[in-house]
Amino acid sequence: DAGVTQSPTHLIKTRGQQVTLRCSPKSGHDTVSWYQQALGQGPQFIFQYYEEEERQRGNFPDRFSGHQFPNYSSELNVNALLLGDSALYLCASRPYGRNTEAFFGQGTRLTVV
Amino acid sequence: GENVEQHPSTLSVQEGDSAVIKCTYSDSASNYFPWYKQELGKRPQLIIDIRSNVGEKKDQRIAVTLNKTAKHFSLHITETQPEDSAVYFCAGGGADGLTFGKGTHLIIQP
Repeated sequence: DAGVTQSPTHLIKTRGQQVTLRCSPKSGHDTVSWYQQALGQGPQFIFQYYEEEERQRGNFPDRFSGHQFPNYSSELNVNALLLGDSALYLCASRPYGRNTEAFFGQGTRLTVV
Repeated sequence: GENVEQHPSTLSVQEGDSAVIKCTYSDSASNYFPWYKQELGKRPQLIIDIRSNVGEKKDQRIAVTLNKTAKHFSLHITETQPEDSAVYFCAGGGADGLTFGKGTHLIIQP
């Protein structure tokens, strides 16, 4: 079991551009959550996907959007990038509706210049 | 929504001593409280968790306590070792999602 995998590991983008990050959940998990972790901070919840729908959303603008595919993998899209979007983006997966450990991917380090 | 406060932000202890990190939460509906350890450049990994129907849980040198009335929970690490140096995050929530604290940088002094 490869666990939660994310791609790419690092990315550099210019202000105003758009970016897509990808996540494959742990085998047996059908719920994917995305988090933004700024340097020196805890992970901030962006949104959660289950059955290809956004189920919960944190306090992030509409520039942040996502998608989940039938195989449970997920994408995070960020439009009109700002310098402040530079962060580590973490994906976590869990079985839906269960109060269990969230398994994290290794993250994508996004730098906006 | 849930709000989780964590302190201290930095904790320095002598090797072999105990370390305690505390968190408070706001949403009385939260029923799951995990603790994650994140080493530099690595992903957060669960070290221990507790559910609201339990007051205390222990796993070797690590223990977590939960006070539902006061809405706070704590991580206790005994006999600290150099490999315990990392950033520790508490979280609160449930099946719908987790809210994380801002983290505690634990430094183990030789």
